[in-house]
Amino acid sequence: AQRVTQPEKLLSVFKGAPVELKCNYSYSGSPELFWYVQYSRQRLQLLLRHISRESIKGFTADLNKGETSFHLKKPFAQEEDSAMYYCAPNTNAGKSTFGDGTTLTVKP
Amino acid sequence: DVKVTQSSRYLVKRTGEKVFLECVQDMDHENMFWYRQDPGLGLRLIYFSYDVKMKEKGDIPEGYSVSREKKERFSLILESASTNQTSMYLCASSSPQGSTEAFFGQGTRLTVV
Repeated sequence: AQRVTQPEKLLSVFKGAPVELKCNYSYSGSPELFWYVQYSRQRLQLLLRHISRESIKGFTADLNKGETSFHLKKPFAQEEDSAMYYCAPNTNAGKSTFGDGTTLTVKP
Repeated sequence: DVKVTQSSRYLVKRTGEKVFLECVQDMDHENMFWYRQDPGLGLRLIYFSYDVKMKEKGDIPEGYSVSREKKERFSLILESASTNQTSMYLCASSSPQGSTEAFFGQGTRLTVV
């Protein structure tokens, strides 16, 4: 069965500290992997996807096929990064399975 | 600017009422989805549709049905609303080819009293 695990429901760091949001997945085939973000009072939106290998708002995510992980990282967290983050493997021609989400709070 | 629009931001309904949640997308996407979002439970898929008049059950379809008569519109129906269906409902659409990212609506906060 396809499964996504985000082990931390809540994560709190101080401004300027590094942050890592963990994601492990159990999927058949080769899924496309995404991170989505939901800021307060805004709609859920794409943050980044693994195939583009880009940095968005200072965040990067490395796909580790051996460990089936897709952790999201940022070296220096900012207060505006406080949000809910969802990891979402995507296969079956566009169908995503979402993790339970991690609420990140960046304290001043 | 791509858009997924849900007809209502907030709804309050009584137990036993039939409730319709509407979603429209303007991106010509084949795939459309309904999720519910609850604290601590993440996003759970209720139903999805990969084509007009086609639908498949997601993880929690009980108590819900859907309708997709046109490509751009996907409706979620609560046949007889119950208090445990109080939740945030999110509609999304995606393409099955190329970039398959999901685009989300703004959500409908449904309260069943």
